[in-house]
Amino acid sequence: NAGVTQTPKFQVLKTGQSMTLQCAQDMNHNSMYWYRQDPGMGLRLIYYSASEGTTDKGEVPNGYNVSRLNKREFSLRLESAAPSQTSVYFCASSKTGTANYGYTFGSGTRLTVV
Amino acid sequence: GESVGLHLPTLSVQEGDNSIINCAYSNSASDYFIWYKQESGKGPQFIIDIRSNMDKRQGQRVTVLLNKTVKHLSLQIAATQPGDSAVYFCAENPPNDYKLSFGAGTTVTVRA
Repeated sequence: NAGVTQTPKFQVLKTGQSMTLQCAQDMNHNSMYWYRQDPGMGLRLIYYSASEGTTDKGEVPNGYNVSRLNKREFSLRLESAAPSQTSVYFCASSKTGTANYGYTFGSGTRLTVV
Repeated sequence: GESVGLHLPTLSVQEGDNSIINCAYSNSASDYFIWYKQESGKGPQFIIDIRSNMDKRQGQRVTVLLNKTVKHLSLQIAATQPGDSAVYFCAENPPNDYKLSFGAGTTVTVRA
């Protein structure tokens, strides 16, 4: 009963370094999302994927890229990390269909860029 | 019990009292609403949801009320416990859009 699994849980990067945040879900959900959470800013959508093979920009996509590798996995890449990308990153997934459903979130990746 | 008339970022509650957390949503056409609880260092967890054809829905110690006239959502927690200390987010789902829109969150602190 894993739900949504994110790796790593913690990461420290130097400015300019790159890294990929991994996310996998085992609930056969169609849609997946990447959010960042900063103090006082709430949850802001970075990128999302409605279904396997599609990705779209959210509210704050600059500095990020994503890959929907298959139905289970959705990764977030920082090509050249900046201190402004210090944040907690959450992956989420949901069913989609004729009705609306809530998200299931992962436990987060706490990223610090120095 | 203690309540928040308008959305405020923090709420302090005495253990055993009832809590009311309020949320104003933005889209009058939204037809699905969810409350999430986020404990320190963890991801948001689903608490309860409600669809727009309902005014009230009850769960275990929690009740969600929906007032579509004034675009207001509330979460009531009965007999608040220390484990209820967390940040609570409301989320709305506009029609024809599977993406959720999240509120700013209310931090609830339970006093012993």
